[in-house]
Amino acid sequence: GAGVSQSPSNKVTEKGKDVELRCDPISGHTALYWYRQSLGQGLEFLIYFQGNSAPDKSGLPSDRFSAERTGGSVSTLTIQRTQQEDSAVYLCASSDRGRIQETQYFGPGTRLLVL
Amino acid sequence: RKEVEQDPGPFNVPEGATVAFNCTYSNSASQSFFWYRQDCRKEPKLLMSVYSSGNEDGRFTAQLNRASQYISLLIRDSKLSDSATYLCVVSNQAGTALIFGKGTTLSVSS
Repeated sequence: GAGVSQSPSNKVTEKGKDVELRCDPISGHTALYWYRQSLGQGLEFLIYFQGNSAPDKSGLPSDRFSAERTGGSVSTLTIQRTQQEDSAVYLCASSDRGRIQETQYFGPGTRLLVL
Repeated sequence: RKEVEQDPGPFNVPEGATVAFNCTYSNSASQSFFWYRQDCRKEPKLLMSVYSSGNEDGRFTAQLNRASQYISLLIRDSKLSDSATYLCVVSNQAGTALIFGKGTTLSVSS
């Protein structure tokens, strides 16, 4: 079946602009995660959605970052007033029920470059 | 201390070699442990979970030492296709997300 999809695959923007990144998880998966991977760095957890529960936003680096998940499926990560240090690959993952022991399936990522 | 530490490598080995990667983690409350594999400019994919009793999947063996907060991955009979970055991963204290190491790069040559 279809895996996790993300769009756009690449995004170049100017400093100060807002960007929206989209994630379409595997159908039926209730848990959705956003991570980012900066050059030479490990993946950094950003936010976690599980069903209708309040999201775990503990990884969001600043209030410029926000995410929502509508209808328990598609998620959008929004970065307002982008800065150059926001340049990274933003990865979305989903898992069946959100139990931490489960496999997380990652999408191909969105490569964001802030000029 | 970083939450998950790995030797970045690179490890350059010939085909058929045995190679071992090590990882340490700082949070003793972590309950779940994994090795993920990431190919160049690709997304990470689960290689194997790591259990306290140790586990094996074909040429791959993973070990966990909770007392030392240490995880290892052994690859036997290396193949060219094993060339990738291997990510050591542990769960956060809340059990809601994964904490990734920066990865160890393996290059297998013929």
